[in-house]
Amino acid sequence: AQKITQTQPGMFVQEKEAVTLDCTYDTSDPSYGLFWYKQPSSGEMIFLIYQGSYDQQNATEGRYSLNFQKARKSANLVISASQLGDSAMYFCAMREGTQGGRRALTFGSGTRLQVQP
Amino acid sequence: ETGVTQSPTHLIKTRGQQVTLRCSSQSGHNTVSWYQQALGQGPQFIFQYYREEENGRGNFPPRFSGLQFPNYSSELNVNALELDDSALYLCASSLGGADPKGTQYFGPGTRLTVL
Repeated sequence: AQKITQTQPGMFVQEKEAVTLDCTYDTSDPSYGLFWYKQPSSGEMIFLIYQGSYDQQNATEGRYSLNFQKARKSANLVISASQLGDSAMYFCAMREGTQGGRRALTFGSGTRLQVQP
Repeated sequence: ETGVTQSPTHLIKTRGQQVTLRCSSQSGHNTVSWYQQALGQGPQFIFQYYREEENGRGNFPPRFSGLQFPNYSSELNVNALELDDSALYLCASSLGGADPKGTQYFGPGTRLTVL
């Protein structure tokens, strides 16, 4: 079974509008972390935002926010006020268990976002 | 603060050859993870090194091997290259157990082409 599912292969959004990128996950571990990364055409994965399984509030980082619905096992990324530079691949990833940085990340298949002027 | 660096940027090899990819971790990070990203897919975990020891391995054959050095830089070695090894190889560093979040910071990647 897929641990991370991103059902939108591609999305279009108009500049200055908000967009939501979907991510659902599957784990039986009560402790986990969810990440979103941006990958421009250059290839480097850029960390955007993190949500821990025990966090009570949805994470926010500037124009990025994470809509975390634990019971539904979803962790959607919301980008407000889209900019042309937001055009890229976006990956949702999960870390299971504790010991944070000593755990592997499992990635979804990604969503290609294109921002139109 | 220096970020994660990788070398070389691009590499072309022929089937059956061996290749070594290099990664320098971000300052202060003691954990390095390697991922393989085939075209159009998400990254797949190869293995992780923590304080010079292998700390976990994904579903990759033994011809994928690695090292971590005392300065926490790392190498990924691939023997007997196959056409399917053509991919972007990403290195990521993290603070290991000192960071409960486990955020991994990625380098720019090495694009390997096997002919």
